[in-house]
Amino acid sequence: ETGVTQTPRHLVMGMTNKKSLKCEQHLGHNAMYWYKQSAKKPLELMFVYSLEERVENNSVPSRFSPECPNSSHLFLHLHTLQPEDSALYLCASSQTRARLYTGELFFGEGSRLTVL
Amino acid sequence: KQEVTQIPAALSVPEGENLVLNCSFTDSAIYNLQWFRQDPGKGLTSLLLIQSSQREQTSGRLNASLDKSSGRSTLYIAASQPGDSATYLCAVLYSGGGADGLTFGKGTHLIIQP
Repeated sequence: ETGVTQTPRHLVMGMTNKKSLKCEQHLGHNAMYWYKQSAKKPLELMFVYSLEERVENNSVPSRFSPECPNSSHLFLHLHTLQPEDSALYLCASSQTRARLYTGELFFGEGSRLTVL
Repeated sequence: KQEVTQIPAALSVPEGENLVLNCSFTDSAIYNLQWFRQDPGKGLTSLLLIQSSQREQTSGRLNASLDKSSGRSTLYIAASQPGDSATYLCAVLYSGGGADGLTFGKGTHLIIQP
């Protein structure tokens, strides 16, 4: 496989469920990102991992918990979500130098989340 | 607050026309600017990346320009085709220090009529 792969593509969960989104990149990049895309709003950065260290979480609620076990894999653990968390969650990767992102950002196809 | 604005929000033109999509940003201190395309229900596809030291980039029928002093970028699409129908997103990496990701506009929804 090439590029950035996200699973599952679609997820429906209740407010009390616990689920995880997975992202894998095959580009040899050293930074990975989670973005949230809601209707009629710009993409919002949720988390950045550079060289496996989380460098920013942008004040995301604690019901979203990221995990980056290595430079190729990124997870977003979900628990006790709210209906307003329904959105398209996009994973991306890039090549950085030091703590600065200067490279092109490549996105996965996204995971469409519906919270009932 | 650093923002990115895209005008128009939606555009519908007949096939074959040349068109321009606009992007403006609030702070000229940027590292780079990137244009993406998004098809319905899909992820983002990178089209062009312009570094802060560059004035334009070209790929096939696409040409993107960057004017940092005025805080503007344009995406020019030549000889438009129905397959160009999509939402086009502009994103800026501001020089805020640290790997804080891109700031996105809301996009321009483009429809090319056959």
